[in-house]
Amino acid sequence: QVQLVESGGGVVQPGRSLRLSCAASGFTFNIYGVHWVRQAPGKGLDWVAAISSDGGDKFFADSVKGRFTISRDNSKNTLYLQMNSLRTEDTAVYYCVIMYYVDSWAFDYWGQGTLVAVSS
Amino acid sequence: DIVMTQTPLSSPVTLGQPASISCRSSQSLVHSDGNTYLSWLQQRPGQPPRLLIYKISNRFSGVPDRFSGSGAGTDFTLKISRVEAEDVGVYYCMQATQSYTFGQGTKLEIK
Repeated sequence: QVQLVESGGGVVQPGRSLRLSCAASGFTFNIYGVHWVRQAPGKGLDWVAAISSDGGDKFFADSVKGRFTISRDNSKNTLYLQMNSLRTEDTAVYYCVIMYYVDSWAFDYWGQGTLVAVSS
Repeated sequence: DIVMTQTPLSSPVTLGQPASISCRSSQSLVHSDGNTYLSWLQQRPGQPPRLLIYKISNRFSGVPDRFSGSGAGTDFTLKISRVEAEDVGVYYCMQATQSYTFGQGTKLEIK
């Protein structure tokens, strides 16, 4: 079955960097675009970034543009989110998400998330 | 950006009674391909979100038929015909017609 497992979260000081990973299994990873969605503590959901199946197209929310980069290694079935110049407002659980069923065009599979806490 | 506005933000409901959540978008969600990419997600306490409904009214695999979605254009509704204890959580509408944005969430709790 489809599985997405995020890792790499932790506590980091403002201005520092962190790299998140998402290990995918149970499906053909290299034919799917993948997204990151975050949720600040006690708050709602915010889309962060997306990458196409071959990694050629990348999209970012305005709030992270220029600070975050997204990449993937299809040989390792892994997605990455490189977060630079972190701010306190980046504190959130970061979820790896896919639109598995093409007909749905909805976020139908989610990982369990990894918590990033930006604090001095 | 398309803004999604949900009402109410909190909904106390008696077990076995119906519940309804509204979602309004700041512009039409009809895509140039003719589809409307409006979905509903449920987030139980301590869990990641789970897809309930896609393209306005299609139930995702494994979703009980007490959940239904309706609407068109800019106004959408999620209905639960008879609320059960396992339905407690926060419900989000989400649009994928133009980038991706979520409503603020509606907390469903039992009276």
